[in-house]
Formats: sequence, structure tokens, C-alpha cells
Amino acid sequence: NAGVTQTPKFQVLKTGQSMTLQCAQDMNHEYMSWYRQDPGMGLRLIHYSVGAGITDQGEVPNGYNVSRSTTEDFPLRLLSAAPSQTSVYFCASSYGQLGEAFFGQGTRLTVV
Amino acid sequence: GEDVEQSLFLSVREGDSSVINCTYTDSSSTYLYWYKQEPGAGLQLLTYIFSNMDMKQDQRLTVLLNKKDKHLSLRIADTQTGDSAIYFCARKDSWGKLQFGAGTQVVVTP
Repeated sequence: NAGVTQTPKFQVLKTGQSMTLQCAQDMNHEYMSWYRQDPGMGLRLIHYSVGAGITDQGEVPNGYNVSRSTTEDFPLRLLSAAPSQTSVYFCASSYGQLGEAFFGQGTRLTVV
Repeated sequence: GEDVEQSLFLSVREGDSSVINCTYTDSSSTYLYWYKQEPGAGLQLLTYIFSNMDMKQDQRLTVLLNKKDKHLSLRIADTQTGDSAIYFCARKDSWGKLQFGAGTQVVVTP
């Protein structure tokens, strides 16, 4: 029973590089979301999706792109990494918008 | 997020009760949650309360909700060393978006 799986667990990028953080869930959840966690600021919503083909911006979307071609996968793309994007990134999914959110283990990203 | 506030640190002796407090500004919250995060791990849902409830008890955990003051608290009875973690208060709005507080670091001392 995998739940929400994020890869990679750790990543170091140089400024200007691009990469994709992967998120997959096997619970047939419609609702998926990406958060970033920074010290003293809790988790802030980057982007979310209410179903395949539908995405929307959260609180801090700038510098990130998402797509949702399948129910299972919700990748987060950094087009041109900046040091301000150094953070821990969490993916979450839930059955519907009001269901319990299940979180992945996180991806620790450092941009140098 | 600034709309959900919690104190940043709590120290408690093993065996005592812990009380973690949270305040929020938006009264349109549907559900309110408490999550626990251990070092290097993701967030684990501890408990939740629907916005029309006043109290919920689940084993050692008691959640109190004061809707008038927009105040949520989590009481952990008989606190153990395994309870040392960061605890996040969160609210879910009518669109399903979760809004988190900054987290309270709980340290349990012997």
C-alpha cells in the first residue's frame, strides 16, 4: 500500500537548471496538491488539481508549473531554479476536496 | 500562513499534559486539522474536527474548538518522548484548500 510517493527524496540544483519533482498516488484520489515548507512559515500551497486535466494556482505559484494528465500523477516542474526555491516540497492527495489529505515523504531541494 | 497562527515552541515534561493553541481568522473553515511531523518525515494526520463541533476526543488527544474566538487547541494527555515533533494546525476552506500555521515544535523532557 504505497500511498503518496515522491521522487527524488533529495536534489541539489544549480541556479537556472530545470527539473521535475514527481508525485504519484495509488488511491484513486481526485484532489492532489503541492506545498513547500520553509522554516517558520508552515506549508504553503503552490498548485493544486481537482482532477485529471484540471489545475489551478495556490498561494505561491510563481516559478513552478504543473500538469495532470492522469489521476495518479501530478508532477511539479521548476523551469529555471532559483536559490529562493530551496525548500522541502510535499505532495498531498485526497478523495475529493474535503477528504483527508495524505502526504508524501517530501523532497528536499537545494538550489545553489 | 498568516491567517493561521500558532506559538512556535512548547516544552513539556514527560507524563504531563501538553496544550498546543491555534487561532485562525477566516470563519468559513469547513474542517480544522492537527498534523504531526517527525524529523525528516512527511505530515501525519493526528485528528480533525468539523467546524460545527466544539470538542472531539480520541484516546490521549482532545481537540477543543471555540468558534466565537476562532481558537483551536490540541491537548495531549500523558505526554511521551515519542510525542516530540512539530505540530501543525490547518484549516480547510470551502474549496478544499488547506492553510497551515507555522507549526509548534514540542519538546518532551524526561
